[in-house]
Amino acid sequence: SQQGEEDPQALSIQEGENATMNCSYKTSINNLQWYRQNSGRGLVHLILIRSNEREKHSGRLRVTLDTSKKSSSLLITASRAADTASYFCATDPWGHYKLSFGAGTTVTVRA
Amino acid sequence: NAGVTQTPKFQVLKTGQSMTLQCAQDMNHNSMYWYRQDPGMGLRLIYYSASEGTTDKGEVPNGYNVSRLNKREFSLRLESAAPSQTSVYFCASSEFPDGYTFGSGTRLTVV
Repeated sequence: SQQGEEDPQALSIQEGENATMNCSYKTSINNLQWYRQNSGRGLVHLILIRSNEREKHSGRLRVTLDTSKKSSSLLITASRAADTASYFCATDPWGHYKLSFGAGTTVTVRA
Repeated sequence: NAGVTQTPKFQVLKTGQSMTLQCAQDMNHNSMYWYRQDPGMGLRLIYYSASEGTTDKGEVPNGYNVSRLNKREFSLRLESAAPSQTSVYFCASSEFPDGYTFGSGTRLTVV
């Protein structure tokens, strides 16, 4: 069974708006990662946040982690058409650095 | 750098046929993985290899076998394909604690 679940399943926003998606997970983690997948392509690593970190930034991406609630959020600011993609959170529930991925949030950015 | 290369990109098999999906990485990573992606289910781990010469089962190993031929190459074999194995297959590699690098995928249809 999957460790992480993203919410919402789908999100449609206007270019320039912010997009926020959430991830909840079940077991304790060492780190949580976010990936992007453009249609028909492989996943691309975006950002990794460790369990002792609460917030991390990378360009227009902001990730938060609340280990007490077993949840994380990914914020994309000032969205662009190129941000249209599916976004997945991933954790390592089995050890040995084997990632478990959620079902993803599909983000559509309208021009 | 090519990253992770998967072949073939597309394949149609008849039920009962066998085939091998090839994966090679040029980043000198120790760990390699095979995932399958089905609509609405995210990615599920089939097999992984923590280092050259070792392999282990993931969440959904039934119907598959793997070979870690050397540090660069990790192949996935379907001995007797079934329609339930229709999916998109992704190979990935990593070096802890960095994120995974994914290939572009193999779209497999079993009829």
